[in-house]
Amino acid sequence: GAVVSQHPSRVICKSGTSVKIECRSLDFQATTMFWYRQFPKQSLMLMATSNEGSKATYEQGVEKDKFLINHASLTLSTLTVTSAHPEDSSFYICSARDHKAPTYNEQFFGPGTRLTVL
Amino acid sequence: GQNIDQPTEMTATEGAIVQINCTYQTSGFNGLFWYQQHAGEAPTFLSYNVLDGLEEKGRFSSFLSRSKGYSYLLLKELQMKDSASYLCAVRGVNDYKLSFGAGTTVTVRA
Repeated sequence: GAVVSQHPSRVICKSGTSVKIECRSLDFQATTMFWYRQFPKQSLMLMATSNEGSKATYEQGVEKDKFLINHASLTLSTLTVTSAHPEDSSFYICSARDHKAPTYNEQFFGPGTRLTVL
Repeated sequence: GQNIDQPTEMTATEGAIVQINCTYQTSGFNGLFWYQQHAGEAPTFLSYNVLDGLEEKGRFSSFLSRSKGYSYLLLKELQMKDSASYLCAVRGVNDYKLSFGAGTTVTVRA
């Protein structure tokens, strides 16, 4: 299956700083990528849908000025957590949609990024 | 809106069978997915149902009833490595968004 990578896998930062997380589709082009957040023992919550070359679409309750998304190419989307606070500590997972893949298995997940804000 | 329910935890013995139920009430439906997720890792695709009926794939099977808003994932011949969280997800209509249930943590005991 298709491979999606995320970098970094873990990051610890101080409160008030910004953190950038990269999501790459390694062997396919992804016109659409999704960003999720997962708190311990909870499910994945969709934060935003990222479309190459256009503005991201944010889910209700997600602050677009705090979580900046850039999908500058067909293989790369970035999520920047601005002015991070301890409550932003979470597991951030991206997924990429391969529009050429069979419909039943078209969304591939990255390995996740564990963010800890001190 | 989306409302997807599944049990929080299940425990079973190695070699046994476990059935994880998922009920959903969604504003649109365009397929139901099951994913396996080990702690600290990304979800991995297990199965997909869009029509009513049973889809079998080795030790794993998934069933869907659209009229009842109900699906189950059946894990047979359980192995220790099957201990994980199992996520039920529904895809919306006219987009590719997935709405996830809270996940069911399955613990397999020797």
